[in-house]
Amino acid sequence: KAGVTQTPRYLIKTRGQQVTLSCSPISGHRSVSWYQQTPGQGLQFLFEYFSETQRNKGNFPGRFSGRQFSNSRSEMNVSTLELGDSALYLCASTSGAYNEQFFGPGTRLTVL
Amino acid sequence: SQQGEEDPQALSIQEGENATMNCSYKTSINNLQWYRQNSGRGLVHLILIRSNEREKHSGRLRVTLDTSKKSSSLLITASRAADTASYFCATSASNAGKSTFGDGTTLTVKP
Repeated sequence: KAGVTQTPRYLIKTRGQQVTLSCSPISGHRSVSWYQQTPGQGLQFLFEYFSETQRNKGNFPGRFSGRQFSNSRSEMNVSTLELGDSALYLCASTSGAYNEQFFGPGTRLTVL
Repeated sequence: SQQGEEDPQALSIQEGENATMNCSYKTSINNLQWYRQNSGRGLVHLILIRSNEREKHSGRLRVTLDTSKKSSSLLITASRAADTASYFCATSASNAGKSTFGDGTTLTVKP
């Protein structure tokens, strides 16, 4: 099976702009989770989508949003970008039985 | 704050030696997973251990879980330079795709 794919791999944006990141899970996986990784805060959970519904949400402001499509692909959107949003954004695809999470290569977002 | 803490924060060993990393967590869990990350790339899934398991092996990896102490350890035997990476533990408290990560252990294996 193909692994989790994320696009784009790198993004450079300026403050105030918005950005959309995309994630395609492993075929057959219906859960997609998003994480933010920064040197200061480490890996933090953003949200999880399952069958097009947000099932879990982390402690991030409303500028961070997501959605999932009927084919399980997911997008996350960050509006009104701030310098502190610069991070590696990781998407994870979760298998059903024991919730093994498999991660994509990430999208490196730089906000200038 | 993060659910887990890893110990040590950094570990430097010679090729061929064993490396042990520890992870402690605060609340009850459903499972615990270990990941490897090379230089800011994606996380590579190493092993999952369920809360009712005490030990699992995968190749040169051995993971233990002590739910009474809320701790886990990852042992890498006969380490190689290619094992140089950051290692993270992640806990999941329910049957859902939300994991809470520790701060990671940076392992350096010198050739």
